[in-house]
Amino acid sequence: GAVVSQHPSWVICKSGTSVKIECRSLDFQATTMFWYRQFPKQSLMLMATSNEGSKATYEQGVEKDKFLINHASLTLSTLTVTSAHPEDSSFYICSGQPGQALVGYTFGSGTRLTVV
Amino acid sequence: RKEVEQDPGPFNVPEGATVAFNCTYSNSASQSFFWYRQDCRKEPKLLMSVYSSGNEDGRFTAQLNRASQYISLLIRDSKLSDSATYLCVVNRKGAGNMLTFGGGTRLMVKP
Repeated sequence: GAVVSQHPSWVICKSGTSVKIECRSLDFQATTMFWYRQFPKQSLMLMATSNEGSKATYEQGVEKDKFLINHASLTLSTLTVTSAHPEDSSFYICSGQPGQALVGYTFGSGTRLTVV
Repeated sequence: RKEVEQDPGPFNVPEGATVAFNCTYSNSASQSFFWYRQDCRKEPKLLMSVYSSGNEDGRFTAQLNRASQYISLLIRDSKLSDSATYLCVVNRKGAGNMLTFGGGTRLMVKP
């Protein structure tokens, strides 16, 4: 089946540093990828929609200058958390759509970010 | 009001029990519906799509009522391995085909 590879699985960084998370679609071309964030005991919240070759679309309340998204190819989308702070500690996860809408989406394995 | 609402649970059931989860969605433009399963600290995995005619996959049965904007998931003969959070997910066309997640219903199956 369709696979999305997400790295790193977990990262601990110091406050003020930047962290890059990569998502690769291994066996399909992902024109669009979605980035979600999940805080403990809460559901996934869409942060932004990443479009290959164009600017990402951010959800209301998500700072585009803080969460930089790059989707330079049909198989790679990256999310960079810039100047991370402890409140950015969360589970970040990407997803892509390998087929038609009725098929559903494939998720990366997620990145657990802890900012200390 | 949240776009997709679920009872958060937890549902604590014994092995072998039948358990049902409900979900309601508010946007009538919603087109595709899914149940995902999420284990602790893992990514969501597609359990099944949901169709108006109802569909069954082994011990799992999903139903959709478009008129009531209501989705259900029935799990029969619960196994310990069914313990997880079940996410009701709705795909809304015209919004970049993005998924909207319910808050999830936590199921704990006990021996």
